[in-house]
Amino acid sequence: DIQMSQSPSSLSTSVGDRVTITCRASQAIVDSLHWYQQMPGKAPKLLIHDASNLETGVPSRFSGSGSGTHFTLTINSLQPEDFATYFCQQSETFPYTFGQGTRLEIK
Amino acid sequence: QVHLQASGPGLVKPSETLSLTCTVSGASMNTFYWSWIRQTPGRGLELIAYRDNSGRPNYNPSLNGRVTMSVDASTSQFSLKLISVTAADTAIYYCAGSFSNSGIDYWGQGTLVTVTS
Repeated sequence: DIQMSQSPSSLSTSVGDRVTITCRASQAIVDSLHWYQQMPGKAPKLLIHDASNLETGVPSRFSGSGSGTHFTLTINSLQPEDFATYFCQQSETFPYTFGQGTRLEIK
Repeated sequence: QVHLQASGPGLVKPSETLSLTCTVSGASMNTFYWSWIRQTPGRGLELIAYRDNSGRPNYNPSLNGRVTMSVDASTSQFSLKLISVTAADTAIYYCAGSFSNSGIDYWGQGTLVTVTS
């Protein structure tokens, strides 16, 4: 299986900050990398597909980049509703696997 | 608007079979990609079964052949069966759907299944 490693696992940050979350794949996955946001008690929500494509309705302060094995999710000017857990997922090779998550906490 | 709703027993005894059904509205059963995903604090998110639009199911090898997924377009439902469950199968189970394999677009609300005697 392709292992997905996210860093950091948690981050204490403030409203208005710029945050970058990293996801690394154990082997090259081209751009088959997707980002999700999960609020407590809710299902994950797809934010970005194929490394850099923002889903309809997702605010433009979210952006994704990367290819191969190294990917990033950036959130510019954090808003109160952005404090959640973020996951990456690869769909290059089955079984499609997820990162362990990055929890954003309010400082 | 696509909506998915998972249903099934919340408690299953060890060695028995976990059965869940996902009822879908607003999507074509034959063109969408369907998934079962589970989540635990220890193992995180795990895709356990996946059917692409060819109709071919794919199962996570980590389940050691214990899982079966089926799709019934006539009832707009798809189902999951996991046999010989243990406490390690205790998780929140999500049914989910996608337009393609570029991310999972739609998720059900999640249902907690606890394996306990």
